[in-house]
This record gives sequence, structure tokens and C-alpha cells, in this order.
Amino acid sequence: DAGVIQSPRHEVTEMGQEVTLRCKPISGHNSLFWYRQTMMRGLELLIYFNNNVPIDDSGMPEDRFSAKMPNASFSTLKIQPSEPRDSAVYFCASSFVSGYTFGSGTRLTVV
Amino acid sequence: SQELEQSPQSLIVQEGKNLTINCTSSKTLYGLYWYKQKYGEGLIFLMMLQKGGEEKSHEKITAKLDEKKQQSSLHITASQPSHAGIYLCGADGGGSEKLVFGKGTKLTVNP
Repeated sequence: DAGVIQSPRHEVTEMGQEVTLRCKPISGHNSLFWYRQTMMRGLELLIYFNNNVPIDDSGMPEDRFSAKMPNASFSTLKIQPSEPRDSAVYFCASSFVSGYTFGSGTRLTVV
Repeated sequence: SQELEQSPQSLIVQEGKNLTINCTSSKTLYGLYWYKQKYGEGLIFLMMLQKGGEEKSHEKITAKLDEKKQQSSLHITASQPSHAGIYLCGADGGGSEKLVFGKGTKLTVNP
């Protein structure tokens, strides 16, 4: 199994641009989570899906952030428009019953 | 909401020394997870504890959950440079899939 696959690994974009982060969960896992990690705030849960349905999006910072899971093997996290304070490492994780497997993350820099 | 506090925030030890990292919860722990993170990489699952008084070991790393299920410790015996990284504890709130994480403990092991 290739694990949780995230793309891109690094993204540098200008303020105001749209950014899309992608995640492929482990096959058979029915829950998917998007986290954001910064030095100041640590690892924060943004949103999670169960069986492709968003269950809890209370961690999504504002309307500029949106996430979708059109099928069991793909999810996106979109930021539009991006701002410098969105710079962070974004992780995707998937699970089945318990125990998360994390992807390697996407390091986003907004200049 | 549940909050996890880790101590110390950072730790520098000489190779071969033992060390302990603590994780204290503001609420009862139903599932306590320990992860390790190398810089620029995702989180690697170490261990999960559920029962009060439970103790698990993997190689030279031992994790314990106290009887009251509000505190966990991670102990490394005879530390090696390969143990260096950030250790994070995560907890679910019981009945919820989402994990809340502590801010992590950065471990440096000097050869």
C-alpha cells in the first residue's frame, strides 16, 4: 500500500491566488481528515469526512477555505483567495475504525 | 473542548540517556495516541492506549496511561540519534473520530 498520498509536496503562491491541495487516502479507509500545522498553533483539525460526507467542518478558518470529497479515493482542500497567514503545512490523514495514517503533507507558502 | 498539554516543549539529551515526555488532558481520555514526526515529514503512529493503567512498549519506547485516564507518559530508554524528532500526543473525545493533538515535544539527541 502506498499510504496516504498528498500533492503537491510544496506550493509557493502569491497572495490572492487560488490554491488546491490534493489527497488520496488509503484504499478501504472510510474517514478522511485535513489538518493544518503551524509553529504557533500546532496541529489543528480543519475538517473531516466519513464515507465521503463532511461530518465536522468547525475547524475551517473562514469562507476562503473549502473541502470536497467527490469519491472514496480523492479529496481536495481549496483556498481562494490565499493570504500570507495561510502559510503552513497541510496534512491529510485517513482511518478505518481507529488509528490515523498521515500523508507527508503539503508545505504552503503564500507570499 | 478537549485540550492536551505536553511537557516539556523541547528536550535535549545525550545519547544513551533515558527521557520522559508527558501529555495531560483537560478531560478523560478515551483513546490516547502517540505519534512521531521528523522535520518536513508526516506523522508516524507509535502506540495507542485506551485502558486506565495500560502500558505498551515498542523497542525502546514505552507509553503509559494513568489509572484516571487523564495523563500519559512516553519513556525512551537509552536514547539514540534516531529517536530525535517531534513527539505528539493525540486524543479522541469518545464517540468521535476526530483527534485533538498537543503542540508536541521536540527531542534532540546529541551523539
